[in-house]
Amino acid sequence: GDSVTQMEGPVTLSEEAFLTINCTYTATGYPSLFWYVQYPGEGLQLLLKATKADDKGSNKGFEATYRKETTSFHLEKGSVQVSDSAVYFCALRPTFYNQGGKLIFGQGTELSVKP
Amino acid sequence: DGGITQSPKYLFRKEGQNVTLSCEQNLNHDAMYWYRQDPGQGLRLIYYSQIVNDFQKGDIAEGYSVSREKKESFPLTVTSAQKNPTAFYLCASSPQDNEQFFGPGTRLTVL
Repeated sequence: GDSVTQMEGPVTLSEEAFLTINCTYTATGYPSLFWYVQYPGEGLQLLLKATKADDKGSNKGFEATYRKETTSFHLEKGSVQVSDSAVYFCALRPTFYNQGGKLIFGQGTELSVKP
Repeated sequence: DGGITQSPKYLFRKEGQNVTLSCEQNLNHDAMYWYRQDPGQGLRLIYYSQIVNDFQKGDIAEGYSVSREKKESFPLTVTSAQKNPTAFYLCASSPQDNEQFFGPGTRLTVL
C-alpha cells in the first residue's frame, strides 16, 4: 500500500543553518504531497503542498519539489530560526477518489534550532 | 473566524468509561477526519466521513465510534473497548480533493 518515509529525528541545528528533511514515498499513480508543521501541544498546520510532478511548494522560506523520478518531496530552508523548532510531517493523498481524501503521514521529524 | 474547534483540550477518563470528543467546523467542508497521535509517531486514521450521515472506518477503528448527523459536527466516542486510549486526538476537515485543515487537538488520559 501507499506509504511515506521521513528521515529520523531529532534534528538539531544552529540558527541560520541550512535545513533539509528527507521524505520519500511509495504510491501508485500521481498522489498529492504535503508538508505539515506541528508546534508543541497544537494541531497540524499546512506548510506547503504540491499536486503534480515537478511542482514546487513554498511558504515562509520553506520549499519542497515533487520529484516523481526519485519519489521524493524533501523539505528545505536556507536559514532556520529558533521559531522553526517544531515537528514536521510529510504526507501524501492517494490518487484515487475512493480513498476518501485521507492522508497518509510519515512518522514526523522533530527539529530543534539553537540560538 | 472560520476554523475547526475541538473540546475539551484535556480529558481524563476512568477505566471502563466511554467519553466523547467534540469536533466542530464552520468552513463548510464536506469531509471530516479523526486521527490518533502517539508520542514520537505519525498520525493514524480512526474514522472519516465524506458526507452527512455516512462514515467509514480508518486504519484503527476498533474501540471507537462516530456519528455525522450535521455537516459541521463529527464527534468521536472512545469506548471502554479501546484498550489503550491515552493519546492526542486530532480532528480535521477538508473540501473534496484538497488539503486537510486541523483542529487544536484533545489530549485524553486514562486514570
